[in-house]
Amino acid sequence: DAGITQSPRHKVTETGTPVTLRCHQTENHRYMYWYRQDPGHGLRLIHYSYGVKDTDKGEVSDGYSVSRSKTEDFLLTLESATSSQTSVYFCAIRQAPGERYGYTFGSGTRLTVV
Amino acid sequence: AQRVTQPEKLLSVFKGAPVELKCNYSYSGSPELFWYVQYSRQRLQLLLRHISRESIKGFTADLNKGETSFHLKKPFAQEEDSAMYYCALRYSGGYQKVTFGTGTKLQVIP
Repeated sequence: DAGITQSPRHKVTETGTPVTLRCHQTENHRYMYWYRQDPGHGLRLIHYSYGVKDTDKGEVSDGYSVSRSKTEDFLLTLESATSSQTSVYFCAIRQAPGERYGYTFGSGTRLTVV
Repeated sequence: AQRVTQPEKLLSVFKGAPVELKCNYSYSGSPELFWYVQYSRQRLQLLLRHISRESIKGFTADLNKGETSFHLKKPFAQEEDSAMYYCALRYSGGYQKVTFGTGTKLQVIP
């Protein structure tokens, strides 16, 4: 395993309900990212974190919030889910900070908002 | 602003034929470019990065700063190469976020 797990793997929720997705890493990396993957759009950055309690917005952050109270956990919350948020959500960590490596991705969470 | 363009949504080639997946970027600084691959219903995996000039699974990619391109090539396609391929640009500033292209689906026909 790549040291990064996402939960749940699948979720169906109703419009208007809050939803929280979890990303857990075991590699003590400082940087963590949340992306959504949609056909025709590729991957788009929602939020990212550069340390405990240090987060910032990505390009599609509206309707989403994040929290990082521990190095290993990065939570993504859909405050009031809408059908447009039906997507596959990927968490990523940046390999070896300071080195020129890419990202390691989680397995994704497939979220359906009905 | 930085941008990655992958002009082809789908590329179909026959097994044994050469493959070229196109990627163009726009960025005013010094780019770091990557190719990621996603096999059916799996997580994205780093395929290669330009700075290491490596060859992975027979794929290579050369950064052409004059043409702002980073095309992915393989001389002989194999069925197991069928997947979604994403070109990505890591840019400095803003905690080195990565911008992805929209992806190209490679279909290798037996």
